[in-house]
Amino acid sequence: DVKVTQSSRYLVKRTGEKVFLECVQDMDHENMFWYRQDPGLGLRLIYFSYDVKMKEKGDIPEGYSVSREKKERFSLILESASTNQTSMYLCASSTRVANEKLFFGSGTQLSVL
Amino acid sequence: GENVEQHPSTLSVQEGDSAVIKCTYSDSASNYFPWYKQELGKRPQLIIDIRSNVGEKKDQRIAVTLNKTAKHFSLHITETQPEDSAVYFCAATISRTNAGGTSYGKLTFGQGTILTVHP
Repeated sequence: DVKVTQSSRYLVKRTGEKVFLECVQDMDHENMFWYRQDPGLGLRLIYFSYDVKMKEKGDIPEGYSVSREKKERFSLILESASTNQTSMYLCASSTRVANEKLFFGSGTQLSVL
Repeated sequence: GENVEQHPSTLSVQEGDSAVIKCTYSDSASNYFPWYKQELGKRPQLIIDIRSNVGEKKDQRIAVTLNKTAKHFSLHITETQPEDSAVYFCAATISRTNAGGTSYGKLTFGQGTILTVHP
């Protein structure tokens, strides 16, 4: 069974802090994604990666960056956290052959105070 | 880019009734349309999907229909049960496969529908 693990379930940070959200998958998936989930807005894509050291902007990349140094790990970075980044963050992965089926992590609920 | 609109935002039904959730998409080139279910406090999971070369797909009590001309697709749940209560998300993408057989495409999701099934 595919396992996508996000390092924290809940996180509280202060405005201006640098925040790292970590995601690890154990199924050798090539593709990894970061979404944020807000009520009434659905799931919005922040960044994605089709390969190691490769990244592409999604629909809402402003204020975020990502890192993918190893195939199994995809990190989301908030360079200077702001209150409007308070949200649920979901990591997902998929295989290159059937990339459309996403396997999601449990999510990280981030609160920026 | 692709834009996906989903309605209704909330849906309340009695156990045993049918539920229908509708989505429209903007990019006529989109060719893959999945539906994800997210139970309270859990991760979204794929429940059914449809590709643009078919008009309908069924899996037990759930079905999805696609109207490419009108650019909309719908999720139908029959004989609803309390365990169907969840948030449902539709999505659309242009799925392409290159000469090497690699498939790629990023999903655009709708806003979600909170379905509540009352016993």
